[in-house]
This record gives sequence, structure tokens and C-alpha cells, in this order.
Amino acid sequence: ILNVEQSPQSLHVQEGDSTNFTCSFPSSNFYALHWYRWETAKSPEALFVMTLNGDEKKKGRISATLNTKEGYSYLYIKGSQPEDSATYLCAFRTGRRALTFGSGTRLQVQP
Amino acid sequence: DGGITQSPKYLFRKEGQNVTLSCEQNLNHDAMYWYRQDPGQGLRLIYYSQIVNDFQKGDIAEGYSVSREKKESFPLTVTSAQKNPTAFYLCASRRQEFGTDTQYFGPGTRLTVL
Repeated sequence: ILNVEQSPQSLHVQEGDSTNFTCSFPSSNFYALHWYRWETAKSPEALFVMTLNGDEKKKGRISATLNTKEGYSYLYIKGSQPEDSATYLCAFRTGRRALTFGSGTRLQVQP
Repeated sequence: DGGITQSPKYLFRKEGQNVTLSCEQNLNHDAMYWYRQDPGQGLRLIYYSQIVNDFQKGDIAEGYSVSREKKESFPLTVTSAQKNPTAFYLCASRRQEFGTDTQYFGPGTRLTVL
């Protein structure tokens, strides 16, 4: 079973703070790295799919980078807002068509 | 509205009983997945299906069974052989897009064994 690790497990920040999380994954047999946002009482929602080393993706105040050679991805949130409060999941994919998920980083943004 | 539905939202089962969780999608996706979430753990893959009438075991398939008779439907049966079935179950389907693929999730079913 592949090991995907996320850190920190949880994070409390104030509104307006910028923050970042880490996802570590095996550097061999890489196919894609996914980021999802999972708000309480909702379904996980896809944020980014990244496939190339050095990829950078951006959606509004959220961005992500990818380093496949060393096996990590960073997710950044600039100027956190209360609506950013959620669990952020990363998921790693090899040639198998299913994803292996990390345990997530739970973010709470205080107004 | 296109999407994935799971029912019921909450399910209670007595020990020793089998129970079936429903998952339906109207997104015309070929692949469907079942995951389980336990507190403090990531989503773990139970079973997946890439095409009708075909499915593969995931990482924790023991005590579960599935069927894929229709493209839209991928029900999961939790059997009495599953030793610790209390968990949150998520169904997903996948769209192939621009050489990568994204999974779309249902709202989940929380199963509690009494």
C-alpha cells in the first residue's frame, strides 16, 4: 500500500493570514497528484490535478506546486478567509486508475 | 442536476446483518469507486469499477462486495464478515479530462453497527 502523508494534521489561523500545507508521496511511478477540498457536510471537491514536475496551479487565492523528483506538493492559501475552513486532501496516482489519499489537513480560519 | 447520489445518509445495522449502500451517478462516467473513511485516516479504497460488469478489489476489500450491472449504479454490500464496519463511506466516479482525470464524490453514507 502506498504511503501519502500530509502535514500538519490541523491548523488554526486568523482571517487574513497566509498558510501552506505539505503532501508527501512516493517519487517512483508517479502519474498525477490531486488536491481536494472537503467542507463539513459536503462532498470533497476537486481543486487541482497536477502531472508534471514543476507544475504550478492557481485558483483564486489558492495555489499549488509539485515536485515529483523529491515527492512533495505544497498547497498555499493567501489571505485566508473563514470560507476556506475545510479539510484539504491530497491524493496520489500511479498507473493504477485509483487514488491513494492522505489523511488530510484540517484548516480552521477564525474571523 | 448532474451528480452523484448516495443513500441513505445515515444507516444503522445490527451485528451479523448484511447491508447495501446505494450509489448512483448521472454524469455518464465509466469508472466508479468506493472509499471508506475512519477518524484520523485518509480515504481508503474498497472496490472500483472501470466499466460495466467489471470491478477490482481495492486495498481493504475483505468483508465487502459490489456489483456493476448498470453504468449509473455501483452498490456496495457490507457483509457480516466485515469485522469493523462502522465508518463513513464515500462513492465517487471519474471523468477522463485532458489526459488527467478527476474524481467526483457523493455526499457519503455514515454506517453505524449497533
